[in-house]
Amino acid sequence: QSALTQPASVSGSPGQSITISCTGANNDVGGYNSVSWYQQYPGKAPKLMIYDVSNRPSGASNRFSGSKSGNTASLTISGLQAEDEADYYCSSYSSSDTWVFGGGTKLTVL
Amino acid sequence: EVQLVESGGGLVQPGGPLRLSCAASGFPFSGYWMHWVRQTPGKGLVWVSRIKGDGSSPTYADSVKGRFTISRDNAKNTLYLQMSSLRVDDTAIYYCVRGLALNRFDPWGQGTPVTVSS
Repeated sequence: QSALTQPASVSGSPGQSITISCTGANNDVGGYNSVSWYQQYPGKAPKLMIYDVSNRPSGASNRFSGSKSGNTASLTISGLQAEDEADYYCSSYSSSDTWVFGGGTKLTVL
Repeated sequence: EVQLVESGGGLVQPGGPLRLSCAASGFPFSGYWMHWVRQTPGKGLVWVSRIKGDGSSPTYADSVKGRFTISRDNAKNTLYLQMSSLRVDDTAIYYCVRGLALNRFDPWGQGTPVTVSS
């Protein structure tokens, strides 16, 4: 049950696009189309932004998109806005009926 | 409105027990898997445990297996996490989360803090 690997931090200017990667293994990210992404503001609970690799729940901005290639999933935020500054976590279903999260990425909007 | 409200957190000595509760409302509780996820202060999220809608098939992270027990009372719309043999590294905010699909955690409760310290 090793954590998925995410960059510790990413940054971008308003209006730009950024991508956060999430690398796992064959028995989690690579083995299932069950990657999800969560946004978390300081002191708040996480919020679902993407599920099943690329699906957005109702209420999530269409500036958020997800994809996957092999053992790496990605979250892209386009048209970056100040309100996007937060921590982002990926998650995947894993073998043995368990789940695993990434270490989190702090997004800074310059 | 779908709502999850955790309670039961607090300060406990190493080796001691603690039981967390999560009151659910706004949806048919028995129809959903439920999870516990924890977050160490300043650190990332860690999945802890899952239980199916009928109370079957509990599963646990290796770090808590044999020490934590997940359960639910569908008549009371309440999820539980019985924690025993607590260690300092169990200190975290514990979130109750609904599983909408295999890996779709939504929504999350506000969390209840657990501090294990002498």
